[in-house]
Amino acid sequence: QSALTQPASVSGSPGQSITISCTGTSSDVGGYNYVSWYQQHPGKAPKLMIYDVSNRPSGVSNRFSGSKSGNTASLTISGLQAEDEADYYCSSYTSRITLVFGTGTKVTVV
Amino acid sequence: QVQLVQSGAEVKKPGASVKVSCKASGYTFTGYYMHWVRQAPGQGLEWMGRINPNSGGTNYAQKFQGRVTMSRDTSITTAYMELSRLTSDDTAVYFCASDIVKLPAANHELDNWGQGSLVTVSP
Repeated sequence: QSALTQPASVSGSPGQSITISCTGTSSDVGGYNYVSWYQQHPGKAPKLMIYDVSNRPSGVSNRFSGSKSGNTASLTISGLQAEDEADYYCSSYTSRITLVFGTGTKVTVV
Repeated sequence: QVQLVQSGAEVKKPGASVKVSCKASGYTFTGYYMHWVRQAPGQGLEWMGRINPNSGGTNYAQKFQGRVTMSRDTSITTAYMELSRLTSDDTAVYFCASDIVKLPAANHELDNWGQGSLVTVSP
């Protein structure tokens, strides 16, 4: 199972919006709505930010939103803040009853 | 509150095995799949497999088939991941994480994570 494809890095200024893409296939992202996004700060465990494509767990800022079109999912961070600087990973359930992660995107707040 | 507390760092020789534990509290341990994910230094996340803590049933990523064993002890609400025939490529932080939905379903969306256990494989 190949990893989902994400851009290596995305940057933005405080207050701006950025979008991270996550491209898979019809056997994962395109075939199921079990697409999640995780935020990971250095040396920390990942934190679930979005599940079921577009749902936010309790406590996650509404500045984070998710969507999907075909085989590509997206995470948008609006009103970018310094604390949003981290690595972000998408993931998807697959037709083989496995979980596949994205390649990861480093978000930099410039 | 939900807590997953993992065992400490380990240093192993090539060819050896390692067993990492994950103590769960604050929720019904037998009610949610437990997944294991690893992250090599400077690399991304990699799913290793999952265990149904209620039945003990497991599903492993093809890459680890034959080398990984996931188990649990419901009496102490602890899950285990054992990896054998270690090589330097297995040097990584290993995480346990619980599924977001109740059994028998498994969305493979992970809402609670352990702190991670560093396993270093070195001669």
